[in-house]
Amino acid sequence: AQKITQTQPGMFVQEKEAVTLDCTYDTSDQSYGLFWYKQPSSGEMIFLIYQGSYDEQNATEGRYSLNFQKARKSANLVISASQLGDSAMYFCAMRDLDSNYQLIWGAGTKLIIKP
Amino acid sequence: NAGVTQTPKFQVLKTGQSMTLQCAQDMNHEYMSWYRQDPGMGLRLIHYSVGAGITDQGEVPNGYNVSRSTTEDFPLRLLSAAPSQTSVYFCASREGVFNEQFFGPGTRLTVL
Repeated sequence: AQKITQTQPGMFVQEKEAVTLDCTYDTSDQSYGLFWYKQPSSGEMIFLIYQGSYDEQNATEGRYSLNFQKARKSANLVISASQLGDSAMYFCAMRDLDSNYQLIWGAGTKLIIKP
Repeated sequence: NAGVTQTPKFQVLKTGQSMTLQCAQDMNHEYMSWYRQDPGMGLRLIHYSVGAGITDQGEVPNGYNVSRSTTEDFPLRLLSAAPSQTSVYFCASREGVFNEQFFGPGTRLTVL
């Protein structure tokens, strides 16, 4: 069965440092997609970045990049030059054929940026 | 463009009461979903729809009903509220199966 694992319940990072949030996944499908969302304390869900399993390049969106290692089934989110506003919950999600293309979600990582 | 809207923002129910959480989107998206978010568990899919008139169950459908009579609206009905349904409920929509989901602001539901 498909599964998304985020092994870091919480992280503290100094402002301006880079941070890597871990995400591993399990799927038997060859075609799948991986998403990262941010949830600030205000509660809304904000889409950050997407990686398709057949994409040859790692996805990047501004300060966000995805370290996609297909053989290891990992899709880690990297935030460069962290800012106080990056403090939030971060969720990794996957969709594949087995899930009828619905998103399966990890439990999330709470990131706190220290000034 | 309002995106995905949800009403109400907050709701308190007594055990056994029924209610409907409203969700609407103005982006003409075919795909819509309802999730619940409990502390430490991420989001869990309740029901989803791939177009008007078509709905299906997700991971945790028991105690909830949905219908999709129009592309815009996707209400979630709690049939007989239970304390275990205390949660934050999110509605989401997306243009196609490979696109990102857009989320509503959520409804915080407490069942006493």
